[in-house]
Amino acid sequence: AQSVSQHNHHVILSEAASLELGCNYSYGGTVNLFWYVQYPGQHLQLLLKYFSGDPLVKGIKGFEAEFIKSKFSFNLRKPSVQWSDTAEYFCAVRGTYKYIFGTGTRLKVLA
Amino acid sequence: EPEVTQTPSHQVTQMGQEVILRCVPISNHLYFYWYRQILGQKVEFLVSFYNNEISEKSEIFDDQFSVERPDGSNFTLKIRSTKLEDSAMYFCASSAWRETSYNEQFFGPGTRLTVL
Repeated sequence: AQSVSQHNHHVILSEAASLELGCNYSYGGTVNLFWYVQYPGQHLQLLLKYFSGDPLVKGIKGFEAEFIKSKFSFNLRKPSVQWSDTAEYFCAVRGTYKYIFGTGTRLKVLA
Repeated sequence: EPEVTQTPSHQVTQMGQEVILRCVPISNHLYFYWYRQILGQKVEFLVSFYNNEISEKSEIFDDQFSVERPDGSNFTLKIRSTKLEDSAMYFCASSAWRETSYNEQFFGPGTRLTVL
């Protein structure tokens, strides 16, 4: 079955701390992976995407993610978070006709 | 940069009423989708649509739901008789193609539906 697991449901960090959000997927076809961010009251915004090639993907706002095929993982990282990174983060894998989203991780960054 | 637009941004309705949520996908896109997000929960796939037909639908997309592309630009989601549990944010998305590895869906800003 196609699924996405995000292990951290709530994360609280201080500004300048490093961030890593876990994402594991289960999908048998060609893997396309995405991270979206949703700021409070706003819509989904694409942070980064992986289709093929270099497994280390750089996105907007200083985020990056690494695709590790052997671990079925696509973890999101940022070396130094800011208060403005407070948001909910969703990992997604592309299925045949649809995106399959994880349950999301709520990140709160303390100033 | 082209974007998906949705109207209205917020819809309030009484239980049992019909609602139509509207989306204008990116103009050269051929595949259209609806997702919903109940408050505090994950984004869930509802339906995909291509060539005036439903390609896939989830268990959520029962007979109360329908989709239509009434003209060359709009893509609508109709809920025939709304229930309290239909209260959610509904996102429309579109993509240029499906089969290649470079499919990317572009999401609209969402319509928040509140059923009273």
